[in-house]
Amino acid sequence: GEEVAQTPKHLVRGEGQKAKLYCAPIKGHSYVFWYQQVLKNEFKFLISFQNENVFDETGMPKERFSAKCLPNSPCSLEIQATKLEDSAVYFCASSQSGGAVDYGYTFGSGTRLTVV
Amino acid sequence: GENVEQHPSTLSVQEGDSAVIKCTYSDSASNYFPWYKQELGKRPQLIIDIRSNVGEKKDQRIAVTLNKTAKHFSLHITETQPEDSAVYFCAASRGGTSYGKLTFGQGTILTVHP
Repeated sequence: GEEVAQTPKHLVRGEGQKAKLYCAPIKGHSYVFWYQQVLKNEFKFLISFQNENVFDETGMPKERFSAKCLPNSPCSLEIQATKLEDSAVYFCASSQSGGAVDYGYTFGSGTRLTVV
Repeated sequence: GENVEQHPSTLSVQEGDSAVIKCTYSDSASNYFPWYKQELGKRPQLIIDIRSNVGEKKDQRIAVTLNKTAKHFSLHITETQPEDSAVYFCAASRGGTSYGKLTFGQGTILTVHP
């Protein structure tokens, strides 16, 4: 389809629990990007993939965050031992081969994670 | 790394007026500058973008200008309408190992009063 599908739409976790978010990119799009948008609206880049390979992970808090894009499966972002400050909307975006510069992004509708 | 500063943080205009939002960036290697509109609870939507080989681009009521020497770019919305009310984000991107990664500005809350 022509939409980036993110699931679930909302996720509530107790502090210290695990959270797993999913993203199905648009078919034919080779690049996947994850961003975190906190309550003050600012977007923080987390990680990008080119197909199943990590392309840029400079934004990932590596001690608790991990991500994967496996063939024939939705991409996933996992947070171990969630903290209150992880509460945010997590957006996934995909783009055709060439990345945002050549073809632009399509964003998913986001997953709102609330850590209580 | 890249740093993008966006001003103003809030902007209130009357319907029919123009609105201008400005961004500066720090990385002279950045070569792609998109603008996104985000309504409350929704995903960011690309409204216009510009590449570093042009200085201006227009699409109906929306225009973007780029000054590479000064490292700033601006969004201009003319004849504003209440449905233009939203949060607007500028962003910058470069090639190399950061290919495709966007660095966003802090956002501008635009309110258009009928």
